[in-house]
Formats: sequence, C-alpha cells, structure tokens
Amino acid sequence: KQEVTQIPAALSVPEGENLVLNCSFTDSAIYNLQWFRQDPGKGLTSLLLIQSSQREQTSGRLNASLDKSSGRSTLYIAASQPGDSATYLCAVRDTGRRALTFGSGTRLQVQP
Amino acid sequence: DAEITQSPRHKITETGRQVTLACHQTWNHNNMFWYRQDLGHGLRLIHYSYGVQDTNKGEVSDGYSVSRSNTEDLPLTLESAASSQTSVYFCASSEGGMVADTGELFFGEGSRLTVL
Repeated sequence: KQEVTQIPAALSVPEGENLVLNCSFTDSAIYNLQWFRQDPGKGLTSLLLIQSSQREQTSGRLNASLDKSSGRSTLYIAASQPGDSATYLCAVRDTGRRALTFGSGTRLQVQP
Repeated sequence: DAEITQSPRHKITETGRQVTLACHQTWNHNNMFWYRQDLGHGLRLIHYSYGVQDTNKGEVSDGYSVSRSNTEDLPLTLESAASSQTSVYFCASSEGGMVADTGELFFGEGSRLTVL
C-alpha cells in the first residue's frame, strides 16, 4: 500500500527566502506526482504535475522535482511572499490506478 | 469555464439521518472521486467512478454509497449519518482512461458536514 509522507508538517519563514518542501513515497511504481495548494476553508488547487518519465516541472517561482527511484519529490519556492502562505500537499498516482494517495501536507507561513 | 461544484457547502444533521452531498462537473471527465479530509489523517479516498454505471470502494467506504447515472454527477450518500462522519468532503475529477491521460486532478470547494 502506497504511503506518502511530507516533512516538515509546518514551516515559518521570512518573506524573500527560498524554501524547499519535501515529499516521500514508499512505492516507486508511480504514474505521476502532483503538488497542490490549499488555502484555509478552500479546495485544493493543482500547482504542478510531474509524469513518471519527467524529472522536474516549473511554473513561475515554483519548481518541483521527482526522483522516482528514491521515492522523493521536492517543491522549491523561490523568493517567498506572504501570499504563498497555505498548506501544500503532495499526492501520487500509482501505476494501474487513477486515484491519488495524499500526504498530510506542509503548512507554510511566510512572515512579511 | 469548466468547473466542479459541490452542494451544500455546509450542512448540520443528526445521527441516523440520511444525507446526500452533490458533486457536478462540467469538464466531461470520466473519472470522479470522493475524499474526506480530517485533521491527522489527510485526505482519504471514499469512493470513485471511472465512468457511467461504474463505482468502486476506496479505503474508507463503510457507511457511504455513490451512484453514477451520467458523466457530470457523482452524489455521495451517507445512509445513516454517524458522528465519526463529521468531516470536510471533497469531490474531484480527472479526464480520460488509463491511456493518454495526464491524470491531473481537479477539486471542488468542499462540503463541511457536522453530524450531531
């Protein structure tokens, strides 16, 4: 059974810092990995989707990498802003399945 | 713009009552999913559907049922609500089948259910 872990559970940084959020998964037979953002009381917004054949994806100040063999992904946020404050969730889709398995998320607070 | 909508957004009910949460998507996606989100447990899969007339149980399906009579809708029914089912429920969808499917998942805004 796939298990997804995110470390740290919470993170507080001053504005302008570059930061890395970590995601690990136990079964490397994945179809893709997706990073989401969730604001309080809201749904999940897709940030980046990495297919199993890819090593990284970039969108603006966000860069996500995938190392399938080691079961790890990182989300890099450059020049953090207070508006980046939210919970970030990582989820994997296993090969042969269509549903995703989620980590518990990292709650990020960027201090102005 | 295509979207996925859930209703009601908030509901309070009593133990033992039947409750139905609606989910409607306008992307014409084949795949639809119901998750619940609880502190300490993250998001857990309740039921999912790969197309009309197809439904499958997820990891926490006891006490819940779904039906898929058309592409757009996947209502979630709690047959006899229990306090343990107090949670935030999210509906999600993704396109296509197993081939040529990016697998990107799109979520609704959630339905907060309180069972007293």
